[in-house]
Amino acid sequence: DAKTTQPPSMDCAEGRAANLPCNHSTISGNEYVYWYRQIHSQGPQYIIHGLKNNETNEMASLIITEDRKSSTLILPHATLRDTAVYYCIVRPTPGGTSYGKLTFGQGTILTVHP
Amino acid sequence: NAGVTQTPKFQVLKTGQSMTLQCAQDMNHEYMSWYRQDPGMGLRLIHYSVGAGITDQGEVPNGYNVSRSTTEDFPLRLLSAAPSQTSVYFCASSYHRVGSTGELFFGEGSRLTVL
Repeated sequence: DAKTTQPPSMDCAEGRAANLPCNHSTISGNEYVYWYRQIHSQGPQYIIHGLKNNETNEMASLIITEDRKSSTLILPHATLRDTAVYYCIVRPTPGGTSYGKLTFGQGTILTVHP
Repeated sequence: NAGVTQTPKFQVLKTGQSMTLQCAQDMNHEYMSWYRQDPGMGLRLIHYSVGAGITDQGEVPNGYNVSRSTTEDFPLRLLSAAPSQTSVYFCASSYHRVGSTGELFFGEGSRLTVL
């Protein structure tokens, strides 16, 4: 079973910020939060990940709550090309023994409209 | 860099036939995995491997076999294809070493239809 829950769909206007929530209330201390997106039927693409601090890269920002039970992916200025399915997953620290069984949930379908 | 390469991209099988989906990566990743994605659904883990000679079952392993004889290759075998195995199959790989990011790299997918 997936360890995360996400809303099935969200809408966003082009140029506005898209804020995608994810609940991971059973996350362990050694588990990171990762975000991926899948455009059409392509293979999923990595966006960003974090442990407990907020993270930012050229694609997005990741805000993790202090208790680490939820997070939000922020696309600051959404474009039509950001329309995709977004997956939030948790994964143990690389190199550990409990690393392999990585499951995805249903994800959130983000639709960016003009 | 080729990244993760899957072959074939498309395949049509008849019920009962067997076949192998190939997955190769050139990034020296220890971790490799196979997922299936049915229409309108998320990804479901079939099998995974954390290194050569080591494999384990995922969420939906029945009807599939894997082996990992080299770091680069992780083939997925369908022993006796069934219509329920019609799906898109994705291979993914990542580092498994301490200090790595754990970022998964996905192939482009193999679209399988079983008649």
